[in-house]
Amino acid sequence: QSVLTQPPSVSGAPGQRVTISCTGSSSNIGSIYDVHWYQQLPGTAPKLLIYGNSNRPSGVPDRFSGSKSGTSASLAITGLQAEDEADYYCQSYDISLSVVFGGGTKLTVL
Amino acid sequence: QITLKQSGPTLVKPTQTLTLTCTFSGFSLSTRGVGVGWVRQPPGKALEWLALIYWDDDKRHSPSLKTRLTITKDTSKNQVVLTMTNMDPVDTATYYCAHHVYLRGYPNYFQYWGQGTLVTVSS
Repeated sequence: QSVLTQPPSVSGAPGQRVTISCTGSSSNIGSIYDVHWYQQLPGTAPKLLIYGNSNRPSGVPDRFSGSKSGTSASLAITGLQAEDEADYYCQSYDISLSVVFGGGTKLTVL
Repeated sequence: QITLKQSGPTLVKPTQTLTLTCTFSGFSLSTRGVGVGWVRQPPGKALEWLALIYWDDDKRHSPSLKTRLTITKDTSKNQVVLTMTNMDPVDTATYYCAHHVYLRGYPNYFQYWGQGTLVTVSS
């Protein structure tokens, strides 16, 4: 049972917009701690996609965006492409002195 | 260019101790704000944080695994070593090391990841 809750799966057609939610609590996302997102393509290591709630590392397309509000965060992907099919994980920090991850969301491009 | 690579056994027996080494390049673990962490992923399951070590030798461990984990660094060799005692089949997973950023007074994000090493626990 992950500390951060994500939907197990989402799907969308090419060109569409999808969002992935990440729900925490007042001890992590709802506190001062930032949310970060990782993309894990099949058979590969995770890759940093969004850091500090809404910042994109160099090289990440602006089709990917992140936001945080209250005890939740969201990852939005616009102009969905086949290459976006992957698992997505959110991550934050908890006052229990723990780095915490979400359970992951599998994105299927229809 | 920052790279990290994990090395260690791919098969360990139950009750044995696992020792994994992360060898990295492109950054220094003596730079303020920099850390190296370990994250694991059982087959088909989610990521799980294990431990972190920072430039100032500050160490953080997953509360649920704290008694079994030890993390150390050798700055001159650009290496971080993780040991996990009393291995069990449920510890079968891909183990990743990653460059970590410590920012604004708390552990932040994993910026670069190694390719991971699958460790199987079986007799």
